[in-house]
Amino acid sequence: EVQLVESGGVVVQPGGSLRLSCAASGFTFDDYAMHWVRQAPGKGLEWVSLISWDGGSTYYADSVKGRFTISRDNSKNSLYLQMNSLRAEDTALYYCAKDINGGPDYWGQGTLVTVSS
Amino acid sequence: SYELTQPPSVSVSPGQTARITCSGDALPKKYPYWYQQKSGQAPVLVIYEDSKRPSGIPERFSGSSSGTMATLTISGAQVEDEADYYCYSTDSSGNPSFGGGTKLTVL
Repeated sequence: EVQLVESGGVVVQPGGSLRLSCAASGFTFDDYAMHWVRQAPGKGLEWVSLISWDGGSTYYADSVKGRFTISRDNSKNSLYLQMNSLRAEDTALYYCAKDINGGPDYWGQGTLVTVSS
Repeated sequence: SYELTQPPSVSVSPGQTARITCSGDALPKKYPYWYQQKSGQAPVLVIYEDSKRPSGIPERFSGSSSGTMATLTISGAQVEDEADYYCYSTDSSGNPSFGGGTKLTVL
């Protein structure tokens, strides 16, 4: 059974930094690209970032480019999102998701990031 | 960013067919995906690559595309299908995006 468990979400001040983690199990992690997707309270889904199976290629939404960095450690079956220069508009539930041919299939339950002073 | 347009809401009676549309300029060349999100839960993939159904998804869910429009069809919608539905695809350069979401009401 595919399981994705996100962690690291907390309350952080504007301008601060945070690293989210996603622990994967139930599938061969290094066979698949991985996504981060976020959802602001009461709003729709927003794609954030994608990393290839080997970490060699990364992609970002314009809204986070230059501030967020996606990475992975295949030896630990883990996905990460380093978030810098956080803004109030980054407040959201952050999901990690496994990729199937270019789109997310299995999703975790999310970790909540709140950017507030 | 790439815009995928969905109606904000669709309403049907139980047993009727619900159709949710998603329009985007790149859809003739890029596959759409569809997700169901019930209140307080993570999204669930219900259709991928235009019309493929993951295991465990009921047969009443189907997907199709024509030109710049993709459609998620729920044949014989049930009360438990009430949820928000999102389409997802990429633009011609491969940049991903979600539609704004459609709230399906079944009552």
